Amino acid sequence: DAKTTQPPSMDCAEGRAANLPCNHSTISGNEYVYWYRQIHSQGPQYIIHGLKNNETNEMASLIITEDRKSSTLILPHATLRDTAVYYCIVRVAGAGGGADGLTFGKGTHLIIQP
Amino acid sequence: DAGITQSPRHKVTETGTPVTLRCHQTENHRYMYWYRQDPGHGLRLIHYSYGVKDTDKGEVSDGYSVSRSKTEDFLLTLESATSSQTSVYFCAISRSFGGGENTEAFFGQGTRLTVV
Repeated sequence: DAKTTQPPSMDCAEGRAANLPCNHSTISGNEYVYWYRQIHSQGPQYIIHGLKNNETNEMASLIITEDRKSSTLILPHATLRDTAVYYCIVRVAGAGGGADGLTFGKGTHLIIQP
Repeated sequence: DAGITQSPRHKVTETGTPVTLRCHQTENHRYMYWYRQDPGHGLRLIHYSYGVKDTDKGEVSDGYSVSRSKTEDFLLTLESATSSQTSVYFCAISRSFGGGENTEAFFGQGTRLTVV
């Protein structure tokens, strides 16, 4: 799986949009971009994933650049409960054989300020 | 929230004793995973299962064994606990694997294990 690069920490004001960047410049054509988050002392939580088109669900939007080398996770109206570590991960479509575990890097610690 | 229950949630045990952690799911997902999370290492895969009685090793499998006799239960056993196995253990499930549809993983709340 391709590696990702994320800023170690970010701040965002409550009620504003939080934009979390992720660089995955070595991504290949069959790799998807996933976002998870982990709120302190809880298990990781799936947020969203996409291949090349922008995606939106009830939690967030995922914007993937046309060359697919980077993406941005957008939390449209951040609340204090969105304070967490956010992980950007890339995964090969239909991977089989070997350990199929998610590889979590260090992520971005997003702090929502009141 | 996905129906995943880990038990126990907290455990303190002595070095050299066997310990079994249980993960129970009500989602009928095929894939189940055990991870450990330690400061400075992030989440690391211990073992995973791709069906009843079908399991395989992950990145950090030494000292651990697993069993899956039913779709809903995935057990992690520390055969002889050591202090280096003090960690937070997470179970995860997914309907499919790799990237694409139905591949998102759902995690349990974790088990905090302390080996003294």
